[in-house]
Amino acid sequence: ETGVTQTPRHLVMGMTNKKSLKCEQHLGHNAMYWYKQSAKKPLELMFVYNFKEQTENNSVPSRFSPECPNSSHLFLHLHTLQPEDSALYLCASSQAPGKGPDTQYFGPGTRLTVL
Amino acid sequence: AQKVTQAQTEISVVEKEDVTLDCVYETRDTTYYLFWYKQPPSGELVFLIRRNSFDEQNEISGRYSWNFQKSTSSFNFTITASQVVDSAVYFCALSEARAGNTPLVFGKGTRLSVIA
Repeated sequence: ETGVTQTPRHLVMGMTNKKSLKCEQHLGHNAMYWYKQSAKKPLELMFVYNFKEQTENNSVPSRFSPECPNSSHLFLHLHTLQPEDSALYLCASSQAPGKGPDTQYFGPGTRLTVL
Repeated sequence: AQKVTQAQTEISVVEKEDVTLDCVYETRDTTYYLFWYKQPPSGELVFLIRRNSFDEQNEISGRYSWNFQKSTSSFNFTITASQVVDSAVYFCALSEARAGNTPLVFGKGTRLSVIA
C-alpha cells in the first residue's frame, strides 16, 4: 500500500448505529487530519493530530470521536449521527509541522450515508 | 480572516481547448501558501502545486500552468489542450505560514467537464 488509504470506501448507517472510519498513511508523516466534504460546501477541517496528540478540534459535535493510536493510523468513531452528517469524509497526512505548512496528502475518502 | 473564492462553479470545454480556473484569496498575512488540488470522480484529492507568497514566478508543468499575482490576490490555473481525463473538481486552498499545523482554507471548487 502506498499513500493514504481509507476504509471503508462506502458506509450506510442508521442514526442509532456505531461505526468507525479508518485511515492509514504510508508516507512516514506525523500529522493527520479529518475533513468533511458536504455537497455544495467547502471542505471543512474537523480534527488535527500531531505526533498522536490532538491539536485542533474545529467545533465538531461530540457524536464524532477521533482516535490516533500512532502516527500512521487515525480513526473516526461515529455514534448517533444525523442525516445531515452524510458526506464524504477525507483523511489527510503531512510531515511533522515545522515553520510553515506542509503539503497535505489525501486519501480517497469514505462516502457516509446516514439514514 | 482567510478566504478563498472560486467564482466559477462549473466549466465545460471541448477537448483540446485551453481553460483557466480562477482563484482569488484574502489574507492579512504577508507570508502564506497557496495550493491547487484535483478531485477526480474517485474522490481522492490529488495535490498539484504549492506556492509561497514570496515566489511570484509562474510555473509550468506539462499542460498545467499557474499564474500567481499578489497585486490582484489571484492564483489562477490554466490547462492547455484539455483532455477528458482532466475532468474533475479543482480546489484552490490557502494556508498561513506559521509554526505548527496551519489549516488549509479551501475554496468551493470548480467542476471542470472536458467533452470529447
